[in-house]
Amino acid sequence: KAGVTQTPRYLIKTRGQQVTLSCSPISGHRSVSWYQQTPGQGLQFLFEYFSETQRNKGNFPGRFSGRQFSNSRSEMNVSTLELGDSALYLCASSPRGPSGNTIYFGEGSWLTVV
Amino acid sequence: AQKVTQAQTEISVVEKEDVTLDCVYETRDTTYYLFWYKQPPSGELVFLIRRNSFDEQNEISGRYSWNFQKSTSSFNFTITASQVVDSAVYFCALTLNNNAGNMLTFGGGTRLMVKP
Repeated sequence: KAGVTQTPRYLIKTRGQQVTLSCSPISGHRSVSWYQQTPGQGLQFLFEYFSETQRNKGNFPGRFSGRQFSNSRSEMNVSTLELGDSALYLCASSPRGPSGNTIYFGEGSWLTVV
Repeated sequence: AQKVTQAQTEISVVEKEDVTLDCVYETRDTTYYLFWYKQPPSGELVFLIRRNSFDEQNEISGRYSWNFQKSTSSFNFTITASQVVDSAVYFCALTLNNNAGNMLTFGGGTRLMVKP
């Protein structure tokens, strides 16, 4: 059974640009979450989608957005990139709502903003 | 709000030593789940264990064992006879069981270095 797949794995962007990251959850999983990991702030929750609806949102500015498609695949977008957005972005999937499920992570997308 | 604290930022041991990683959590909710993840240099968070707040039984899986004590709000992780391959960053995390989703609150992580 394939795990959580994230693309791209590595990318470099320039300040002011935007970026879109993609996540394919484990087959059959309907909940997809995104996390940002930085050396200074650690692992922080961005948002969670379930059945194409955003269910939870972390404390991030509106430049961070996401969506989920009918096949449960998810994308997150960061607009007007800042140097501080350089981070490892991790996608996670879990089997079903509403809560308390085992949560599996992908390998992440390493974003560098220059 | 929930909080998870991993006071040990870095631990260094010699292979075959036993090592315990501490995790202390705070929540006002009575039902929750606790997790441990391993993060190798590749970046992926590898799931190790999920524990329901109602289940205080300790668990052993090979060289890994977990001690859950609600009285002290702790969920500690012990590696017996450590190996070089155990070198990684380990994260403890908590999610509420409140039908509101699968949002994890992570501790700051403990970097474990196992030397040959």
